[in-house]
Amino acid sequence: RKEVEQDPGPFNVPEGATVAFNCTYSNSASQSFFWYRQDCRKEPKLLMSVYSSGNEDGRFTAQLNRASQYISLLIRDSKLSDSATYLCVVARGATNKLIFGTGTLLAVQP
Amino acid sequence: NAGVTQTPKFQVLKTGQSMTLQCAQDMNHEYMSWYRQDPGMGLRLIHYSVGAGITDQGEVPNGYNVSRSTTEDFPLRLLSAAPSQTSVYFCASRKEGRGTEAFFGQGTRLTVV
Repeated sequence: RKEVEQDPGPFNVPEGATVAFNCTYSNSASQSFFWYRQDCRKEPKLLMSVYSSGNEDGRFTAQLNRASQYISLLIRDSKLSDSATYLCVVARGATNKLIFGTGTLLAVQP
Repeated sequence: NAGVTQTPKFQVLKTGQSMTLQCAQDMNHEYMSWYRQDPGMGLRLIHYSVGAGITDQGEVPNGYNVSRSTTEDFPLRLLSAAPSQTSVYFCASRKEGRGTEAFFGQGTRLTVV
């Protein structure tokens, strides 16, 4: 079982739709949580950090549930430019090693 | 503002050849890492460094060596390339501390034939 699990998708949604991605992690010692975005054949880039209190950045909302070891990402009013792979990432240990999920592919259709 | 510079972008090797993937960052970040990305596997940590002169193994270190003689540079050496090392390699750097953002190089697409 992978330490960080994500549904690989693809999620095919129309423009304007709301879509939610979920992620679970198995190591309760995980300390920091992130969503990264990776466009096709490009490097990953930070989308947002995830906090227990929840956080929002425009159309994007991230939530962390430490008790259930569960992270979510909600995208409202999807745009064509949101099409990408979304990587769930946790950090743990003295050096905050990053552990990546395999990613969820989102395809927003016109 | 270069960030993380990774070279080469593409490389084809024959089985048994050796090569070095270069990675340099200009952000004075303490932490640097090498990952490989394979379909269905996500990014897996090969080696990492928390500062000049300090390196450690990640999840999949076999067949790879690293060194960190300066803060800026973190080269990855393939000792004797094997077809199983065909992958996309990413170098990343970030500041020391919890919750810091990782910045990635553009990746190296390596094919071993």
